Amino acid sequence: GAGVSQSPSNKVTEKGKDVELRCDPISGHTALYWYRQRLGQGLEFLIYFQGNSAPDKSGLPSDRFSAERTGESVSTLTIQRTQQEDSAVYLCASSLGTSREQFFGPGTRLTVL
Amino acid sequence: ILNVEQSPQSLHVQEGDSTNFTCSFPSSNFYALHWYRWETAKSPEALFVMTLNGDEKKKGRISATLNTKEGYSYLYIKGSQPEDSATYLCASPGVTDKLIFGTGTRLQVFP
Repeated sequence: GAGVSQSPSNKVTEKGKDVELRCDPISGHTALYWYRQRLGQGLEFLIYFQGNSAPDKSGLPSDRFSAERTGESVSTLTIQRTQQEDSAVYLCASSLGTSREQFFGPGTRLTVL
Repeated sequence: ILNVEQSPQSLHVQEGDSTNFTCSFPSSNFYALHWYRWETAKSPEALFVMTLNGDEKKKGRISATLNTKEGYSYLYIKGSQPEDSATYLCASPGVTDKLIFGTGTRLQVFP
């Protein structure tokens, strides 16, 4: 079956523009995570959705970042007024639950000029 | 707050060497321990998910053990190969059910 997909694969934008990144999790996966990896750094947690519970937004770096998830389906991560420090690979992952492995998407490479 | 810690931060070994690294986590309210391999320019891939004290899992030359009472897991690689070069991440759920990752051990295997 299909894995986690993300779009676009690459996004180049100008400073100050808004961007929207999309994640399609594996069907039936109740848990969905967004992470990012900035150049030379590790995996940075951004936000976590689990079923119908309120999302854990504790990793979002500023109020310019927001995310939504439609039921247990697609999620979008929106970055408003992008800054150069937002340049990173944004990864999405989904799983059946915390005792089950996470499946990662291929990522979206965001470059803010 | 759940702290998942990994050591060493980086490791350089010669091809054929066996190696191991450590993941430590709070032993209270343990639920599961995950290991992932993250190769450069790729996405992380799951190696193991372990839930029981004393669990040992193996995949080819890679194996892992789990001690939930003392809060640690070891990942072993036998006869390291250059293709094993990657960052190895461990993760464990926190009280909010969110999976929390360590900072990883970066392994480089020289031919």
